[in-house]
Amino acid sequence: DTGVSQDPRHKITKRGQNVTFRCDPISEHNRLYWYRQTLGQGPEFLTYFQNEAQLEKSRLLSDRFSAERPKGSFSTLEIQRTEQGDSAMYLCASSPEGTGPNYGYTFGSGTRLTVV
Amino acid sequence: TQLLEQSPQFLSIQEGENLTVYCNSSSVFSSLQWYRQEPGEGPVLLVTVVTGGEVKKLKRLTFQFGDARKDSSLHITAAQPGDTGLYLCAGVMRNQGGKLIFGQGTELSVKP
Repeated sequence: DTGVSQDPRHKITKRGQNVTFRCDPISEHNRLYWYRQTLGQGPEFLTYFQNEAQLEKSRLLSDRFSAERPKGSFSTLEIQRTEQGDSAMYLCASSPEGTGPNYGYTFGSGTRLTVV
Repeated sequence: TQLLEQSPQFLSIQEGENLTVYCNSSSVFSSLQWYRQEPGEGPVLLVTVVTGGEVKKLKRLTFQFGDARKDSSLHITAAQPGDTGLYLCAGVMRNQGGKLIFGQGTELSVKP
């Protein structure tokens, strides 16, 4: 297992276009998270899945955003009608269940979105 | 309002100096983690602390969780240029499905 993979690494799109990002988590991890990070800030929670169920969505996730994890494996994050304010790094992370002393996320390298 | 406040936000020091980064909140966390992030990459987990008052050491890095589980600190001894990066604290709250709340980060630059 090579960790969490995100594709693409970079995406430049014109305002108003739709974009889709993919995340492949660590195979044994049943939890998958999406975060958004702007320059010089910490990641902000967007949504998370336990297996294929989407259990929580942040208020940051407007109706232009949708995320899926159809078979409890990979996940996609789609942004419709992109706006310049959507420009950010979109991070995916996975984790096993539990929150003990060995708990922690494994993050992917992120998808850097630039809306022009 | 930031649930986890990190300070300082920026730190520029010379190689060999010591430093401490603080992470404070008014909320109680079931655990707290520290991550390090390099430009263009995702954060990488350094440590998870779970018990109030817990101290963990990772080579030149010492992490402490406050007794009340509301705050944490990261101390680096004899900093090296390879320590340069964004340091993030992140807390897990009970019954939140493992969701992490991140601080805004501390940008550390260690000059040779």
